[in-house]
Amino acid sequence: ETGVTQTPRHLVMGMTNKKSLKCEQHLGHNAMYWYKQSAKKPLELMFVYSLEERVENNSVPSRFSPECPNSSHLFLHLHTLQPEDSALYLCASSQDRGPDGTDTQYFGPGTRLTVL
Amino acid sequence: ILNVEQSPQSLHVQEGDSTNFTCSFPSSNFYALHWYRWETAKSPEALFVMTLNGDEKKKGRISATLNTKEGYSYLYIKGSQPEDSATYLCAFNDYKLSFGAGTTVTVRA
Repeated sequence: ETGVTQTPRHLVMGMTNKKSLKCEQHLGHNAMYWYKQSAKKPLELMFVYSLEERVENNSVPSRFSPECPNSSHLFLHLHTLQPEDSALYLCASSQDRGPDGTDTQYFGPGTRLTVL
Repeated sequence: ILNVEQSPQSLHVQEGDSTNFTCSFPSSNFYALHWYRWETAKSPEALFVMTLNGDEKKKGRISATLNTKEGYSYLYIKGSQPEDSATYLCAFNDYKLSFGAGTTVTVRA
């Protein structure tokens, strides 16, 4: 496979469930990102990992827990979510997280999450 | 949170017509501006990275210009085709990407 893949593509969970979203990049990149897109809103950055170290946590509630075991894989562990957490969750990767801002981010297709 | 505005929110174009739309961003501390195309049920796809010293960018029938002094970028689609139907996102990069809400383009055959 090439590019950035995400599984599952769709997920329905209850508020008491625990689930995980998986992202894998096949591009040899060093930085990975989680974004959230709620209905009619812009993409919101949630977490950034650079060389497997979390470098950004954008005031995300603790019911979202990221994990980056290596530079190719990124997980988002979900527990005790709320219905308002229903959204599209996108993963992205880039070569580096350089200071000049020119690194292109490559996105996966997203996981559509519904919390009942 | 940076204010990145895109307008219009949506537009409908007749096949063969040209169109353009705007991305406005803070004019201070400019690093780069990214344009993405996002088709339904697919991944956002990078179109252009606009930098401070960059000229107009072009990819086929799509081009983009940048004015960092006044804080805006235009995306142009020349001779729109149905396959151009997508949501076009801009993202301002000041070490992390702040996205606009997008302009959704629908090209009618």
